[in-house]
Amino acid sequence: DAGVTQSPTHLIKTRGQQVTLRCSPKSGHDTVSWYQQALGQGPQFIFQYYEEEERQRGNFPDRFSGHQFPNYSSELNVNALLLGDSALYLCASSLRLAGGDEQFFGPGTRLTVL
Amino acid sequence: AQSVTQPDIHITVSEGASLELRCNYSYGATPYLFWYVQSPGQGLQLLLKYFSGDTLVQGIKGFEAEFKRSQSSFNLRKPSVHWSDAAEYFCAVGAGYNNNDMRFGAGTRLTVKP
Repeated sequence: DAGVTQSPTHLIKTRGQQVTLRCSPKSGHDTVSWYQQALGQGPQFIFQYYEEEERQRGNFPDRFSGHQFPNYSSELNVNALLLGDSALYLCASSLRLAGGDEQFFGPGTRLTVL
Repeated sequence: AQSVTQPDIHITVSEGASLELRCNYSYGATPYLFWYVQSPGQGLQLLLKYFSGDTLVQGIKGFEAEFKRSQSSFNLRKPSVHWSDAAEYFCAVGAGYNNNDMRFGAGTRLTVKP
């Protein structure tokens, strides 16, 4: 059973560019959450998707947007990249009907903005 | 909004010694509490979780944690640390029906001396 997978593993972009990160949830999961983890910090919640809709959003600007597909996979898009967007981006999946059940995390995508 | 404080940024223990990592949370209702471990360059792995019931919860790798409502704490313990336990440890509090806004502490880095 494959866990949460993310692609790419690493990415280097320059300021002002746009980036798309991808996530496939654990088999059987229908909810995907995205987190940003800056160096030396804990993960910060960006947003959560369920039934192809954004259900909850953290304190991130509109430059951060996402999408969920019918197969439950998800994309995170970041426009007009800033140096401060350099971080590890983590995707986590869960099963909504499980209520407050745990989230399973992927290995992350390391984004470097130059 | 909920929040988590991990007072210790870095802890060093000798292999075979006991370990306690501190976590204090702030949340108005009954919290969902989690401990995750992150090895360098990796995603997060769930060690244990508390939703309700017995306040002493057992996790993987010999870890346990005790929920103390009166102290708003959820400290992680292990009776005998192994060199492979060296990693970053994150405490998190979930909120909402599906933990759709999970807040993480800043983490505690554990170093294990031989």
